[in-house]
Amino acid sequence: AQSVTQLDSHVSVSEGTPVLLRCNYSSSYSPSLFWYVQHPNKGLQLLLKYTSAATLVKGINGFEAEFKKSETSFHLTKPSAHMSDAAEYFCVVSMNTGFQKLVFGTGTRLLVSP
Amino acid sequence: DAGVTQSPTHLIKTRGQQVTLRCSPKSGHDTVSWYQQALGQGPQFIFQYYEEEERQRGNFPDRFSGHQFPNYSSELNVNALLLGDSALYLCASSLAAGEKSYEQYFGPGTRLTVT
Repeated sequence: AQSVTQLDSHVSVSEGTPVLLRCNYSSSYSPSLFWYVQHPNKGLQLLLKYTSAATLVKGINGFEAEFKKSETSFHLTKPSAHMSDAAEYFCVVSMNTGFQKLVFGTGTRLLVSP
Repeated sequence: DAGVTQSPTHLIKTRGQQVTLRCSPKSGHDTVSWYQQALGQGPQFIFQYYEEEERQRGNFPDRFSGHQFPNYSSELNVNALLLGDSALYLCASSLAAGEKSYEQYFGPGTRLTVT
């Protein structure tokens, strides 16, 4: 079975400071891993994905994540937070097979203060 | 390029009633997945449709059923509604195969309230 654990339910940062959202995964197979963002009253948007290519993945809006198999982690980072980054972030795992069932974490709410 | 669209945006139903939610996939996509997102939770996979057949199903009762049409659009039906069915229902579309097959594009969702 696959699962993801998002280690923080809320993260608060100041604008211009680095962002770190932590995620650990569990998978019996070689996983695909994703980060999605959900702004209030909007749909989920794909930030970035890892599908067994480069372990450092760059996404949209300056976000990146590093796949670390030895630590079973896929943490999301951004060097400098912007007010518009305030949203709910979901770490997601999927089996690397023909089926695309996504298993979501419980989410991390990112709060950005001026 | 139209993204994933869902209708209606909001819906209020009474316990025991039935509801149908609709989804049109992103242009060029042939696979539709449905997710339920309860308040404060991450989305939970309900089922996935490809070639008008249910391909995979999550841990949801048979009260949840679906359909995919030849134009790839899809419906989610829920019978005998319970208060616990109140949630945001998300539709996601993707390609069944190819390099981009792991990318699912989500619609804005339908907010269902059961009273």
